[in-house]
Amino acid sequence: GAVVSQHPSWVICKSGTSVKIECRSLDFQATTMFWYRQFPKQSLMLMATSNEGSKATYEQGVEKDKFLINHASLTLSTLTVTSAHPEDSSFYICSAPGQSNTGELFFGEGSRLTVL
Amino acid sequence: QQQVKQSPQSLIVQKGGISIINCAYENTAFDYFPWYQQFPGKGPALLIAIRPDVSEKKEGRFTISFNKSAKQFSLHIMDSQPGDSATYFCAAKIRNSGTYKYIFGTGTRLKVLA
Repeated sequence: GAVVSQHPSWVICKSGTSVKIECRSLDFQATTMFWYRQFPKQSLMLMATSNEGSKATYEQGVEKDKFLINHASLTLSTLTVTSAHPEDSSFYICSAPGQSNTGELFFGEGSRLTVL
Repeated sequence: QQQVKQSPQSLIVQKGGISIINCAYENTAFDYFPWYQQFPGKGPALLIAIRPDVSEKKEGRFTISFNKSAKQFSLHIMDSQPGDSATYFCAAKIRNSGTYKYIFGTGTRLKVLA
């Protein structure tokens, strides 16, 4: 199956700083990637759809200026949490659809962000 | 209308037993229904998936039953093992204006007792 890699797997930062999370498709190209946020013991909430070569599509209620998404190439999407605050602490997971047309979605390992 | 309702929230099963998790949806535009398994601190991993034109799909110990008229689908884990203890999410895919997205259920925490 397709492999999606996320980095870093965990990060601790001070309030007010910005944090960048990378999502890479290792053995396939992904024109679309999805970013999710997951609180403890809760479901995955779609934040935005990252589109290679164009602007990301954000879900309702997600601040575009807070969560900057860049899809720089066919294998890399980044999520930058700007001016992070403790309430931004969460588990962020990216995913990408595989090459087949079955609709399979492959997830990264997730990134645990803790804002002090 | 884009919700996917999942139950139960948690489930405890004896080793060797059958684990059953149910999901229901309203929107008939959903065209793909996967199940994901997630271990603590890890990203979800695809277990098994089904399309709405199929009523059942089996892969090893995992079976999806799909009832299109009732808009329900379920995951059956046969011969449940302690290693199956994880959180399971059902999901549904919907296309919209040339793109698509997945809607996830609320998750079921499964614990299989040794």
